[in-house]
Amino acid sequence: GESVGLHLPTLSVQEGDNSIINCAYSNSASDYFIWYKQESGKGPQFIIDIRSNMDKRQGQRVTVLLNKTVKHLSLQIAATQPGDSAVYFCAETYSNYQLIWGAGTKLIIKP
Amino acid sequence: NAGVTQTPKFQVLKTGQSMTLQCAQDMNHEYMSWYRQDPGMGLRLIHYSVGAGITDQGEVPNGYNVSRSTTEDFPLRLLSAAPSQTSVYFCASSASGGGQPQHFGDGTRLSIL
Repeated sequence: GESVGLHLPTLSVQEGDNSIINCAYSNSASDYFIWYKQESGKGPQFIIDIRSNMDKRQGQRVTVLLNKTVKHLSLQIAATQPGDSAVYFCAETYSNYQLIWGAGTKLIIKP
Repeated sequence: NAGVTQTPKFQVLKTGQSMTLQCAQDMNHEYMSWYRQDPGMGLRLIHYSVGAGITDQGEVPNGYNVSRSTTEDFPLRLLSAAPSQTSVYFCASSASGGGQPQHFGDGTRLSIL
């Protein structure tokens, strides 16, 4: 079946550096992609989304890049802070009402 | 702003028991869904609803029932609990289905002995 996966399960980044979290997807028909942040003991929190007719979208300190040619999605976090420590999930639409989620990447911030 | 509220936060059951996980949202969202999250994994969709009176199955529906009698509430019922259903359960809502970000509750941590 269709799937969304992440290249790295754990990413360690120095505080203040930029973080890049990658995600591969397999459904070329997907038209909507989302990044979520999940802190320990909490539900996933929406970060940023992007539609398939775009290749870049920026938010506050975060940027999502979509490369449809290689079916790749990335989340860039600028000037990483301790509060950015969490597990990050990418997800894509499988149908109009269903999201397929990746396994997650744990971001660790080194002081 | 309450958002999505799930109760209980923790529950321990014995194999064969039944229970209902509650989910309520106060954002007047049409779309609601239930996910389970197992350790080190992403979320898997159990059931979803696109509006009051309408429900459908997700990726892993077996052993679970849902109903949607009101826009606000979307309870998940475990019919006969099994150890394989030990997981963290998340409820989410959004204004519509795909193409809109979902808002999540903080989860129910369920252990089946």
